[in-house]
Parts: sequence; C-alpha cells; structure tokens
Amino acid sequence: EIVMTQSPATLSLSPGERATLSCRASQSVSSNLAWYQQKPGQAPRLLIYGASTRATGIPARFSGSGSGTEFTLTISSLQSEDFAVYYCQQYNNWPPYTFGQGTKLEIK
Amino acid sequence: QLQLQESGPGLVKPSETLSLTCTVSGGSISSSSYYWGWIRQPPGKGLEWIGSIYYSGNAYYNPSLKSRVTLSVDTSKNQFSLKLSSVTAADTAVFYCVRRILGRGWFDPWGQGTLVTVSS
Repeated sequence: EIVMTQSPATLSLSPGERATLSCRASQSVSSNLAWYQQKPGQAPRLLIYGASTRATGIPARFSGSGSGTEFTLTISSLQSEDFAVYYCQQYNNWPPYTFGQGTKLEIK
Repeated sequence: QLQLQESGPGLVKPSETLSLTCTVSGGSISSSSYYWGWIRQPPGKGLEWIGSIYYSGNAYYNPSLKSRVTLSVDTSKNQFSLKLSSVTAADTAVFYCVRRILGRGWFDPWGQGTLVTVSS
C-alpha cells in the first residue's frame, strides 16, 4: 500500500498570501495524484487531477505540480473561501486508493 | 448534473451489519464509463477508500476491509449499496458515495455524506 504524507499538518496564513501545501508518496505514483478541498460539514471537492490539471470550475489561483513522489498544491492568493482542509490522493497503485492525512489551512 | 445521495440507518449496534444505499440522479448508473464507490471518514480524521463497483457487478475492495465489505448494484433503481459486517466502534464514520471515471482514479462527484455511529 502506498502511504501518502502531507505537510504541514496545519498552515496559518492571511488572505492574499500564497499557500504551498506538500504531499509525498512512499513510492512513485507518476502523475497519478489528485487534490481535494474539504470545508467543515461538507464532502470533499475535487480540485486537481493528473497532478496539475484543474477540475471543472476550479479557479486559476489553484495549481498543482510534481511527479514521482513529491507534489505541491499552490494557492496563489488566498481568498476567505479557501480556508479548509486539503487532501491528496494517489491512484497509481490500487487497490487501495490512498489519501494523505490532510493539511488544515487556517486564517492567521 | 449528476447527484449522489446516501441513505441508511444512522445508528448500528456492534457486531451487526451496516447497510447504506446511494441513489444516483441526473445520470445512469448503467453507463459504461463509470465506477461507483464508497469512501469513509471517521470523525475528525482522514479519508479511507472502501471499494468501487461497476454496473455489471465487477467490484474492487480495500484489502483492509475486503473480508467484511460487499458492494452491489441495482440498475433498475439507479442505486448501489454497501454492506459492512461485524462492525465495531472503529467503523463509526461519515460515509460518502462517489463516482470514478473508468480508467481514471480520482473521485468526482461526492455525495453529501451520512454519519453512521456504531454503538449499543
């Protein structure tokens, strides 16, 4: 099973700042990585797939990069609605599909 | 627009079987393009994939849960279902139903989720 590790666990930033979230895989997952956003009391929402392709309707301030074992989700200029928990998920080696433990992006 | 809606008991006793159904609206579960699945999230914790099923009945399961999980599809009702047997308190979670494109690995969309508590 591929283990996904996200860092940091919590990121405290102010609106307008740039956010950089990291995700590491225990072995190469090529570009088979997705990112999700989850707000309190809501289901996760797909943001990025293929490591760097934005899902339909996702604002351009969200971008993904990386391949192999190291991945990054960048939010270029934080809006108030971006404060949430973010999860990465690999789909290169399955079953099982596996998720990171999440990064909480909170308002500083 | 495709929508997924989970339904089922919110409380299950230890050692019993948890049963949930996901109703698909705005699209056909019999489409050859998609797998349908379940993901769970214990309160305050992360996400765990449970399994996925094709309309034909072909299914994949998380090895950690495989011995206790059964997925099924009812194409006449446009629904798919989850059964998790021998539950314990550790199975308490929000359960989400999801769609996955055939040949792809990400999940979109997700149902709103339903909390199932295992307690006597």
